[in-house]
Amino acid sequence: DGGITQSPKYLFRKEGQNVTLSCEQNLNHDAMYWYRQDPGQGLRLIYYSQIVNDFQKGDIAEGYSVSREKKESFPLTVTSAQKNPTAFYLCASRWTGTRLDEQFFGPGTRLTVL
Amino acid sequence: QQQVKQSPQSLIVQKGGISIINCAYENTAFDYFPWYQQFPGKGPALLIAIRPDVSEKKEGRFTISFNKSAKQFSLHIMDSQPGDSATYFCAAGTDNYGQNFVFGPGTRLSVLP
Repeated sequence: DGGITQSPKYLFRKEGQNVTLSCEQNLNHDAMYWYRQDPGQGLRLIYYSQIVNDFQKGDIAEGYSVSREKKESFPLTVTSAQKNPTAFYLCASRWTGTRLDEQFFGPGTRLTVL
Repeated sequence: QQQVKQSPQSLIVQKGGISIINCAYENTAFDYFPWYQQFPGKGPALLIAIRPDVSEKKEGRFTISFNKSAKQFSLHIMDSQPGDSATYFCAAGTDNYGQNFVFGPGTRLSVLP
């Protein structure tokens, strides 16, 4: 089955710790995205990558870092510099051909800082 | 100019009623308008999408109406069911490489049995 997987589903972190959220896709999509969603809120773009070994900051990149060493993988690290990291994190991907098409989302990771 | 406005923020509808959610955009370069449905604790999933070459698209109980001159589009859910209770996001995008989707803030729909 093609799709996007995120792990873990739930993650607990102590203040001052860095944590890495995993995102893997087997859809052969070039573009991948990380969004943050707070309760009752919309989607805010953290980072995105249009191609391997390249990524760009989104609207709320401070306190986060990413890497894109493989087409299939786009891990997000939430660093201790992120002041309020408790949120629902969504990874997405889409094809970047000549015509815009569906953006697929993963099931999300809920991060809680204790 | 990149913003997509969405209303209402929340909506309560009786079973069998019509749910209507509206979105508006500014950037005339947008040419793809999807609606996403999100259930609590899950990732959003594409519900229906439209391009500006048509004014309406229907898939089952879900219809998008698109008004290019007004730069507005709306989602209509006919015969709303309790299982439709979810958060709905509109979005807009362009075919220009490197351009990302812009999402509306979402509408929480509750359909009462």
